[in-house]
Amino acid sequence: DAGVTQSPTHLIKTRGQQVTLRCSPKSGHDTVSWYQQALGQGPQFIFQYYEEEERQRGNFPDRFSGHQFPNYSSELNVNALLLGDSALYLCASSYSADTQYFGPGTRLTVL
Amino acid sequence: GEDVEQSLFLSVREGDSSVINCTYTDSSSTYLYWYKQEPGAGLQLLTYIFSNMDMKQDQRLTVLLNKKDKHLSLRIADTQTGDSAIYFCAESQHSGNTGKLIFGQGTTLQVKP
Repeated sequence: DAGVTQSPTHLIKTRGQQVTLRCSPKSGHDTVSWYQQALGQGPQFIFQYYEEEERQRGNFPDRFSGHQFPNYSSELNVNALLLGDSALYLCASSYSADTQYFGPGTRLTVL
Repeated sequence: GEDVEQSLFLSVREGDSSVINCTYTDSSSTYLYWYKQEPGAGLQLLTYIFSNMDMKQDQRLTVLLNKKDKHLSLRIADTQTGDSAIYFCAESQHSGNTGKLIFGQGTTLQVKP
């Protein structure tokens, strides 16, 4: 049984560009949450998708948006990248509001 | 408020017990979690405890919860060099059928041979 997978592993972008990160949940899970982890910090909740809708959102600007597909996979989009968006982006999947299991993350570097 | 706090660093000798502490603020949290993160990797779920429990044991791991003081601890028995990592405490805040995790800053555990 594959766990949570994320792509790409690493990404380098320049300021002002846009980026799309992808996540496939664990088999049997229907909910995907996204977190941003800056260097030396704990993960910060961005938003959560359930039944293809954004159900809960953290304190992140509208530049951060997402999508969930009918197969429960999800994308995180970030527009107008800032240097401060450099971080490890973690996807977690769960069955509804149950225990969240994390993927390996996507390391985004903004130059 | 939403705030989870942990001490930043702990150093122990191989074979000793490690105790990592965490305080949280939201008394309505239903589950409290411990995750482990190795360098450059994602978060690995170690264990969790339901808020109506005082203690949970899982092999070398013991979780203690003091709900009155909003204090959570993780004890690792017979700590090994492979246990060196960052340990995150997280509280789960549920809203209907969704739940977000609020994490502490993480405790770096250094295990000396």
